[in-house]
Amino acid sequence: AQSVTQPDIHITVSEGASLELRCNYSYGATPYLFWYVQSPGQGLQLLLKYFSGDTLVQGIKGFEAEFKRSQSSFNLRKPSVHWSDAAEYFCAVGAVDYKLSFGAGTTVTVRA
Amino acid sequence: DAGVTQSPTHLIKTRGQQVTLRCSPKSGHDTVSWYQQALGQGPQFIFQYYEEEERQRGNFPDRFSGHQFPNYSSELNVNALLLGDSALYLCASSFGPHPGELTDTQYFGPGTRLTVL
Repeated sequence: AQSVTQPDIHITVSEGASLELRCNYSYGATPYLFWYVQSPGQGLQLLLKYFSGDTLVQGIKGFEAEFKRSQSSFNLRKPSVHWSDAAEYFCAVGAVDYKLSFGAGTTVTVRA
Repeated sequence: DAGVTQSPTHLIKTRGQQVTLRCSPKSGHDTVSWYQQALGQGPQFIFQYYEEEERQRGNFPDRFSGHQFPNYSSELNVNALLLGDSALYLCASSFGPHPGELTDTQYFGPGTRLTVL
């Protein structure tokens, strides 16, 4: 069965600074990988996804993620964060059994 | 283009009661998945409906059941509510996966916040 680990529970970053959120997955074959963002009291919004091909994928809101098979990682990055990026971020893996398995999430706080 | 919609937004029930949550998928989508998100945790997969049948189920008891209608909308029913059922219930829709395909991108609704007293 697939699983996801997000090692950082909470990250604080200054506005304008870069951001990197870590995600490690466990799955025997090539996974489908996703990053979602959730604002307080809201549903999940898809930021980006990786199915195959180029290992560096671009998403919405200036986010990108890099798939590294050798490290079983799919880290999310943004060069310069905005106050509106404060939210909870979830990494998820999908496989042959149709469901998505999510990590526990990383809460991002942006300070002025 | 309307996204995934869910109703109601909030719901308060007491232990032992039954609840029904509703979901309308994004236009063009034919598959609906339900997730439970407890406070401070990631979403947990409950089950997925495709062609009006439950195709896959997570580690949830039989108190959790669902239905998909011919227009692809779906309901989640929870019987004999427990305090631990308090959570945000998320519906996600996708186009497939269809037989022979792997997972597809799921788009989430805003959720229904269920509180069990």
